[in-house]
Amino acid sequence: DAGITQSPRHKVTETGTPVTLRCHQTENHRYMYWYRQDPGHGLRLIHYSYGVKDTDKGEVSDGYSVSRSKTEDFLLTLESATSSQTSVYFCAISVTSGEAYNEQFFGPGTRLTVL
Amino acid sequence: AQTVTQSQPEMSVQEAETVTLSCTYDTSESDYYLFWYKQPPSRQMILVIRQEAYKQQNATENRFSVNFQKAAKSFSLKISDSQLGDAAMYFCAYRSATNAGNMLTFGGGTRLMVKP
Repeated sequence: DAGITQSPRHKVTETGTPVTLRCHQTENHRYMYWYRQDPGHGLRLIHYSYGVKDTDKGEVSDGYSVSRSKTEDFLLTLESATSSQTSVYFCAISVTSGEAYNEQFFGPGTRLTVL
Repeated sequence: AQTVTQSQPEMSVQEAETVTLSCTYDTSESDYYLFWYKQPPSRQMILVIRQEAYKQQNATENRFSVNFQKAAKSFSLKISDSQLGDAAMYFCAYRSATNAGNMLTFGGGTRLMVKP
């Protein structure tokens, strides 16, 4: 599982409240990603990081921000949650060496419900 | 931008039979990677198989194999001797070999049901 954990695993919140999801990895991979999964859309990239304090936007970045102050942690923040952000959120890492070169491994996901 | 299309929202197969899941993609690049991921009810994303575009030989992993048609931009997954544990969502994904971010573009998924 590439040592990826996500917290919390489930969260219910109200519209307008801030929410932060955490992704933690244990293997010092440089690249980390946040995706959201919605029916019919597969997984879509929100933001990604290519190193500490180095981040960039993905396909569906509006309403989200990220931070990476340590190699092992990648945080996703919804500044003011909306019902359209109800989704399952996946963190992933990209392997850049060894047998699994170019493969991405995913965390267990966080189900977020915004009421 | 690349797009990935899975035209079969749902498929079903009898246990022990063979099933093929379709995937097409659109890209102007010549060097890239393609993947199939399995997502069982546990929600965990599991890599099933990968294919490098520069390789002509189709990838195989035990009961899973692909039919990679580069000119047609098609990447189908064949599951042989289907088992109940194969029931899951399956996602096709594309990754550019030149994009520095290594990010994946996913299709919408195919739900596979396996009948006993």
